[in-house]
Amino acid sequence: NAGVTQTPKFRVLKTGQSMTLLCAQDMNHEYMYWYRQDPGMGLRLIHYSVGEGTTAKGEVPDGYNVSRLKKQNFLLGLESAAPSQTSVYFCASSYSGVPGAFFGQGTRLTVV
Amino acid sequence: GESVGLHLPTLSVQEGDNSIINCAYSNSASDYFIWYKQESGKGPQFIIDIRSNMDKRQGQRVTVLLNKTVKHLSLQIAATQPGDSAVYFCAENRDNFNKFYFGSGTKLNVKP
Repeated sequence: NAGVTQTPKFRVLKTGQSMTLLCAQDMNHEYMYWYRQDPGMGLRLIHYSVGEGTTAKGEVPDGYNVSRLKKQNFLLGLESAAPSQTSVYFCASSYSGVPGAFFGQGTRLTVV
Repeated sequence: GESVGLHLPTLSVQEGDNSIINCAYSNSASDYFIWYKQESGKGPQFIIDIRSNMDKRQGQRVTVLLNKTVKHLSLQIAATQPGDSAVYFCAENRDNFNKFYFGSGTKLNVKP
């Protein structure tokens, strides 16, 4: 049972490049989330999904897109990376109506 | 705007002592709170939660206290151990049950 798995773990992008971060969970959770964490700060919600085929904006959605084509996967896309998107990205999942969320190990993204 | 925040960015305690980590919130409509622990290089891990209709909840070596009058949340860790060294975040549910907003975190250092 792997829990929440994020791919890749590290990535360096040049400004203007695009990439997709993959999150996979094997717990049959309905809810999935993408957060970003900047140094000395808490996690900020980018986008989330309450079920397959649905997505919604969080606190800081600009510059990101997401897709939830399959229940177990939640993809985060950066169409044109900017240095301000340098951060650690965390994916999480949870059951509907059950407290707390299970987090992945994070993806450290640097945009130069 | 309304936000979740923490009083102390860093807390140092002696091994075996009790630790108290504080969190202030400003949204009186928030009805659910969670404490997370984040070790270096890892994703946040659920510790304990509390609903707004409670003022205290206990877990294994941890207690969460909620004071709605002054909008204050605290996490007490009994007999602090080196393995408790981490950053602790409180998270607040504002909009719906499964979408949480995080404070900036308190780093707990446990001295042997």
